[in-house]
Amino acid sequence: GENVEQHPSTLSVQEGDSAVIKCTYSDSASNYFPWYKQELGKRPQLIIDIRSNVGEKKDQRIAVTLNKTAKHFSLHITETQPEDSAVYFCATSGYSTLTFGKGTMLLVSP
Amino acid sequence: KAGVTQTPRYLIKTRGQQVTLSCSPISGHRSVSWYQQTPGQGLQFLFEYFSETQRNKGNFPGRFSGRQFSNSRSEMNVSTLELGDSALYLCASSRDRGDRGTEAFFGQGTRLTVV
Repeated sequence: GENVEQHPSTLSVQEGDSAVIKCTYSDSASNYFPWYKQELGKRPQLIIDIRSNVGEKKDQRIAVTLNKTAKHFSLHITETQPEDSAVYFCATSGYSTLTFGKGTMLLVSP
Repeated sequence: KAGVTQTPRYLIKTRGQQVTLSCSPISGHRSVSWYQQTPGQGLQFLFEYFSETQRNKGNFPGRFSGRQFSNSRSEMNVSTLELGDSALYLCASSRDRGDRGTEAFFGQGTRLTVV
């Protein structure tokens, strides 16, 4: 089955810095790449997604890039704020249901 | 529009017992997937149901089972509970099948504790 590797597992930044989280996947049929944010005690919520026919997508301070040849995609958060502190999950789907990475705990210090 | 609803929110069970969790998807959504979330392991896929049929199953023992009803509501059952089954169980609903790249909306989860 699909295997999704996510790095780093923990990321600490100062407020205003940028944060980058990277994921690699194994299934070449993967064509949908969402990112979810899960705040403590809450449900995961979609923050941005990208499809295989697009290389980059931006939404305000958040951007996702995709390299299908290398089978990796990344989440970029600029001008981080304390409310960005959460666990972020990447995921892919292709022939099957969404497969998630193990998550990155992002800590933004004021 | 109501979101994904999971019941109950919390459960405490004894080893060897069985448990049934329920998930009501967003109206109009036909796909329901179940995930087990434990610290350090992320979201591990259990199974997906679409139009009352199980489409995919993750790498979990046969003690974990599920079903979907004609109104798209889904239940999952865990028999002969083990301590290691303690986890947050999340369901997610989508308008279409999981392999068609549609957004998945998560419920609040059911926190199962096995003692």
